[in-house]
Amino acid sequence: SYVLTQPPSVSVAPGQTARITCGGNNIGSKSVHWYQQKPGQAPVLVVYDDSDRPSGIPERFSGSDSGNTATLTISSVEAGDEADYYCQVWDSSSDHMVFGGGTKLTVL
Amino acid sequence: EVQLVESGGGLVKPGGSLRLSCAASGFTFSKYSMNWVRQAPGKGLEWVSSITTGGTLIYYADSLKGRFTISRDNAKNSLHLQMNSLRAEDTAIYYCAGGAVAGPFDYWGQGTLVTVSS
Repeated sequence: SYVLTQPPSVSVAPGQTARITCGGNNIGSKSVHWYQQKPGQAPVLVVYDDSDRPSGIPERFSGSDSGNTATLTISSVEAGDEADYYCQVWDSSSDHMVFGGGTKLTVL
Repeated sequence: EVQLVESGGGLVKPGGSLRLSCAASGFTFSKYSMNWVRQAPGKGLEWVSSITTGGTLIYYADSLKGRFTISRDNAKNSLHLQMNSLRAEDTAIYYCAGGAVAGPFDYWGQGTLVTVSS
């Protein structure tokens, strides 16, 4: 089965740039979606199809996808960005949706 | 305003059954594939099942081993998950989510908690 690997945690100071990676075999050939989940809340889509943003999501959130790694980049990080972030892809070989294990973003 | 409201969760003994429901409003339900995602306490998101707009295509996570059945009623704007032979490891918050089977999941409910314990 297809596996997505995320670092358990990423820490960044306010105003700096956070990069959260999502590793998978040839993930560059798949569409990657990213979700933000704050404690006690449902997930929220922040980036879809590798690099597109839903309406209402700040431009500070961006994504890229190449080779074996997809990356969610959050620029000018704010305290309110502290949350868990999950990547997601559809594995067409198994017809299964796959989530990464999640990354806890801490704003120092 | 888009709303997805789950119901039907609760405490059930191992081996028991539950039927979860998700009531949708604020968007054209019949034009969206629908999905169930669960999250065990303190753990990450786990995809459970997906169903296409007309219900013709259905997908399940391997971990369910045929114990769960997804269905939808487009006339009533509702999504369901019949869960049988429940195990302790099925304990989780269950979210319904609207969006393409291959993602992204655009809309999420607030979830319903299922606890499997004797």
